[in-house]
Order: sequence, then structure tokens, then C-alpha cells
Amino acid sequence: AQSVAQPEDQVNVAEGNPLTVKCTYSVSGNPYLFWYVQYPNRGLQFLLKYITGDNLVKGSYGFEAEFNKSQTSFHLKKPSALVSDSALYFCAVGGRQLTFGSGTQLTVLP
Amino acid sequence: DGGITQSPKYLFRKEGQNVTLSCEQNLNHDAMYWYRQDPGQGLRLIYYSQIVNDFQKGDIAEGYSVSREKKESFPLTVTSAQKNPTAFYLCASMRGKGTEAFFGQGTRLTVV
Repeated sequence: AQSVAQPEDQVNVAEGNPLTVKCTYSVSGNPYLFWYVQYPNRGLQFLLKYITGDNLVKGSYGFEAEFNKSQTSFHLKKPSALVSDSALYFCAVGGRQLTFGSGTQLTVLP
Repeated sequence: DGGITQSPKYLFRKEGQNVTLSCEQNLNHDAMYWYRQDPGQGLRLIYYSQIVNDFQKGDIAEGYSVSREKKESFPLTVTSAQKNPTAFYLCASMRGKGTEAFFGQGTRLTVV
């Protein structure tokens, strides 16, 4: 079975500061890992994914994620947060079926 | 534009009624999925289909039914057997293993 944990329900960060949204996973074999963002009353939008290769993955809107196999983590990062980054972020794992974490509400304070 | 269209955006159901949520995609994706989203619980898989005329139950299939008669369409019926149907429902499609999922804008179902 595959699973994902997002240990923080809420993350607050000041605009211009770096942000990190944490994700750990459990899966047999090599993982397919994803980050999605959701704005209120909307569907999910794809940000980035890790399949194989470099441990640092770059995605949309300046986001990146660091894959760490030994810690089974895939944390989402951005060097400088914007107020417009405020949204609900989901980590997911899977190949043909995605299993999602419970989500982390990111609030960027002006 | 290619994408996934869910309709309606808002849906109200009376007790004991069946209702059907529409999901259409023009991305030519083989796989389609239905998720339910409740506050604080993330997305839970209801049903999925990897190919036309075939579908499998997800983690919370009880009280729901689906069909996949066409590649483009994957409607979800919420039956009267679903005791707590009030939720946000999301449809998604994928091209293949390890590819990103594309999501519709969701249908918010409320029991009145």
C-alpha cells in the first residue's frame, strides 16, 4: 500500500521569505511523487513531479521540491514567497492511482 | 482548449434521491478518476477507469456508481445509499502511469 503524510495542516510565512511545505511518503519500489495546488472552490493544479533523476525538481510558479530517498521525503520549497501563493497544497504518490495527503494550507502574510 | 469539464458546479439533492455528476474530457486520456474531498481529509478515491467499459472501486465506493461507455465521459451517480453525500467532488484524467493528473473544477453537492 502507498501513503502520504503532510504533517502540517497550516503553514504561515511572511512575503519574501522562503517557504517549505513538508511531505513524507511510503511506497514499495521507486516512487512517483507529485505536488498539486488548489485555490478555493477549484480543482487541483499540477505543480511538479519526481519520477527519476535529479533530487531537486523544478516546477511551475518558481516552486521546487527536494526528493530525499533516505528520509522518504519530498518537501515543496520556494525561495521567496508571494501573497498569491496562499492556497491549499497537496502531496501525492502513485503511478496509475494517486494517493493524496490531507493537504497543507499555506498563508503568505504581506 | 483541452481539459476536463465537470457539471454542474453546484448541485442540491433531496434525501432519497439519486443524482448524477457529469465529467467530460477532450484530452484523449485513457484513465479517469473520481475523488471526494472533505475538509481536512484530502482527496479520497471513489472509482477509477483505465479503459472504456471497465472500472474499479476505489477506497470509498459504497453508495456510488459509475459508467464508462465512451472514452471522453465518466459520469458519477450518487445514490440514496450514500448516507453522507455532502462534499466536493473532483474528476481527473491521466494519460498514463507516472504522468500528471488533470482535474476538473469540481462539483459541490449539498443534501437539503
